[in-house]
Amino acid sequence: EIVLTQSPGTLSLSPGERATLSCRASQIISRNQLAWYQQKPGQAPRLLIYGASNRATGIPDRFSGDGSGTDFTLTINRLEPEDFAVFYCQQYGASPKTFGQGTRVDIQ
Amino acid sequence: EVQLVESGGVVAQPGGSLRLTCAASGFNFDEYTLHWVRQAPGKGLEWVSLISWDGGSFEYGDSVKGRVTISRDSSKKSLFLQLSGLRIEDTAVYYCARDALKWSYNGYYLDVWGKGTMVLVSS
Repeated sequence: EIVLTQSPGTLSLSPGERATLSCRASQIISRNQLAWYQQKPGQAPRLLIYGASNRATGIPDRFSGDGSGTDFTLTINRLEPEDFAVFYCQQYGASPKTFGQGTRVDIQ
Repeated sequence: EVQLVESGGVVAQPGGSLRLTCAASGFNFDEYTLHWVRQAPGKGLEWVSLISWDGGSFEYGDSVKGRVTISRDSSKKSLFLQLSGLRIEDTAVYYCARDALKWSYNGYYLDVWGKGTMVLVSS
């Protein structure tokens, strides 16, 4: 199984700052089949990015994804108050599908 | 409106069994692979299982393999998850989610999620 390791565990930032989240895979993820999700307390996850760099429908362009192979990054430019949440990466290039353990982005 | 609604969450004893249901609406049920994903209290997401759009292909996560059966009923537009030999560590919110791509067999990313149903395994 592909293990995804996200870092940092928690990121404390202020609105307007940039957040950079990392997701590292234990094996190469084929065809960059990596997605990012945002989850707020008490809510289901929401798809942000798929194919490593493609924004899902309705996702603001301050969210961007990058990377290939085993190293992937989610960047949130100019954090808005509603962006503070937990973010998960997920690989779907191999079975079983796996998620990272999450990165919490807190308001500093 | 595209919607997934889970039900069947219970308080169950270790060794017991349960059946979760996910009712779909607002999209063509027969075109999409569906997944179960769970989240233990205060923990991260764990992918559990998928069943292909035609019911002909399924996959299970290692932590539930041998104890779980996923199925679907086109006439009821519903997805099911049967889990037996319950363990304390099966305690979680169980989410139903739709695969983003039509007619997939292997499963991809998840674009629609239900609100989840809570399963508590306790003696």
